[in-house]
Amino acid sequence: EVQLVESGGGLVQPGGSLRLSCAASGFTFSDPYMDWVRQAPGKGLEWVGRTKNKINSYTTEYAASVKGRFTISRDDSKNLLYLQINSLKTEDTAVYYCAVYYSGTGGYWHWGQGTLVTVSS
Amino acid sequence: DIQMTQSPSTLSASVGDRVTITCRASQSISSWLAWYQQKPGKAPKLLIYKASSLESGVPSRFSGSGSGTEFTLTISSLQPDDFATYYCQQFSAYPLTFGGGTKVEIK
Repeated sequence: EVQLVESGGGLVQPGGSLRLSCAASGFTFSDPYMDWVRQAPGKGLEWVGRTKNKINSYTTEYAASVKGRFTISRDDSKNLLYLQINSLKTEDTAVYYCAVYYSGTGGYWHWGQGTLVTVSS
Repeated sequence: DIQMTQSPSTLSASVGDRVTITCRASQSISSWLAWYQQKPGKAPKLLIYKASSLESGVPSRFSGSGSGTEFTLTISSLQPDDFATYYCQQFSAYPLTFGGGTKVEIK
């Protein structure tokens, strides 16, 4: 059974930093691209960014709203995906989901349950 | 950026109704479109990928169609479990973008 478990969320002050993790099991973690998607309270879904797989040199892509502040990385040996969030803003308050994308398939096959990040003073 | 416009934003329907949700892309995305269902407090669930392919285990009352800039998600006979919010997402170009969502409510 595929499982994606996010952790690391919490309450942080504006300007602060946080590192989110996504622990994966039940599939070959090194195969797919891994994305982060977020959802502000009561709002729609927003793509945050992606790390591709080793074959594609772990290339990363980011939404303009987070580029330069967020960093996505992965450790295939530990089946872990990370999202380093710096210079947090109140508008970064959201549930953050990790999601699995297999190249060429056109959809997220698996999602985690999400972890809530609240940015407030 | 490719803008994804969903309509309607809210839809009131009864059990047994045929429901259609539209997603329009601001430029051609070929068939690089997915549809998701989300219930309150839960992660989204993949329904349709590559515009018209039904994800395994998803009831056949769900179907997707379209290519280029116009796409539809159809629920042929709405069931109680289908009351939820539905999102489209394009995978054609970065940044990947979602539609604003369509909430399907009980009439």
